[in-house]
Amino acid sequence: GQQLNQSPQSMFIQEGEDVSMNCTSSSIFNTWLWYKQDPGEGPVLLIALYKAGELTSNGRLTAQFGITRKDSFLNISASIPSDVGIYFCAGQPPPGSGGSNYKLTFGKGTLLTVNP
Amino acid sequence: DTEVTQTPKHLVMGMTNKKSLKCEQHMGHRAMYWYKQKAKKPPELMFVYSYEKLSINESVPSRFSPECPNSSLLNLHLHALQPEDSALYLCASSAPGQGRYNEQFFGPGTRLTVL
Repeated sequence: GQQLNQSPQSMFIQEGEDVSMNCTSSSIFNTWLWYKQDPGEGPVLLIALYKAGELTSNGRLTAQFGITRKDSFLNISASIPSDVGIYFCAGQPPPGSGGSNYKLTFGKGTLLTVNP
Repeated sequence: DTEVTQTPKHLVMGMTNKKSLKCEQHMGHRAMYWYKQKAKKPPELMFVYSYEKLSINESVPSRFSPECPNSSLLNLHLHALQPEDSALYLCASSAPGQGRYNEQFFGPGTRLTVL
């Protein structure tokens, strides 16, 4: 099946620093989603990407759908303590390659710690 | 209303108990999902309901029984669970057939502990 490699696994940064994380796959995806999960809570959708090359921002967050359709990255600028959490990428493969309208393939997550 | 709600927030049950998890959304979404999540791992899909019919069962043991009474509600009935079933159970919904149907919105989860 489809697999996503998400890196880094964890990051320890100082408040105010910029952060970058990415997901890569050996197969193409039609959709890339980025979620943030706080401890004991459900994942919250941050950004959704639907077109190769698409660059989308949500406040201090910026994400891009790679031109090859096999990768995506998420940047957080000027980090603040409330950015702490686990960030998951998720992708939906094209129909006919094991994909469906309902199944997402998740990365293993990036644990972000921000030191005030 | 852009929220998925889940009850209870926490549940402790013995291996012989029967309990149910509940999920509700009022976004008009016609697909609803159950996921299981272990600590520091990504969510694992269990079931998908589309237009109130079971669309996907990811080979989940029969001690988990999903139910979709209507387009806004999703239940997960639990019976004779094992300690290894302890996890965060997440409900999600999405709007299949619309432009952004891949976007799944998650509830806060039910933290289940099986003793």
